[in-house]
Amino acid sequence: GNSVTQMEGPVTLSEEAFLTINCTYTATGYPSLFWYVQYPGEGLQLLLKATKADDKGSNKGFEATYRKETTSFHLEKGSVQVSDSAVYFCALRGEGGSEKLVFGKGMKLTVNP
Amino acid sequence: EAGVTQFPSHSVIEKGQTVTLRCDPISGHDNLYWYRRVMGKEIKFLLHFVKESKQDESGMPNNRFLAERTGGTYSTLKVQPAELEDSGVYFCASSQNPNRFSPLHFGNGTRLTVT
Repeated sequence: GNSVTQMEGPVTLSEEAFLTINCTYTATGYPSLFWYVQYPGEGLQLLLKATKADDKGSNKGFEATYRKETTSFHLEKGSVQVSDSAVYFCALRGEGGSEKLVFGKGMKLTVNP
Repeated sequence: EAGVTQFPSHSVIEKGQTVTLRCDPISGHDNLYWYRRVMGKEIKFLLHFVKESKQDESGMPNNRFLAERTGGTYSTLKVQPAELEDSGVYFCASSQNPNRFSPLHFGNGTRLTVT
């Protein structure tokens, strides 16, 4: 079945540091890939998505590129802020007619001033 | 537009008791999903409604869990009787389309603690 493997952390960074959160997936065909974020006390929010190979999703300074050849969707940000402290989830949704969203375990990021 | 709303935000119950969680999806979204995250683990799929019909309930852990969506609007998830391992955060999500291009919109979740 479909699965997602991501860095689990927790990770602590200083403000303005570079962030990479690795995510790889296993799926047949061409799934859509997503990053969701959960800020403290809030629900899951869609951060960005990519629906086909070589697509780049971007939002709030974060980027991730759909790499079919390496089955990866790594999340990057060049300069993190304290407000980026949250739990980040990589997820995929398969090609079938009504495929469920499959999540990684999530990674807690803390950014210190 | 109003987002997905869930009630209650927190619930603490004793083992053996019953709890009912409620989810109001985004208006017009036929697809409604329940997920849960047990402490430190993945967010796992529970079930999927299309309007009032259960499209996929393969993630429901056992028959102590009962989900309904009468009239195709809001949904409830009842746990009866609750066990310690049911503790976690229960998320509801909705989407306009069930296909892979359509993101899910999540609520803030209900944190359930069974003591």
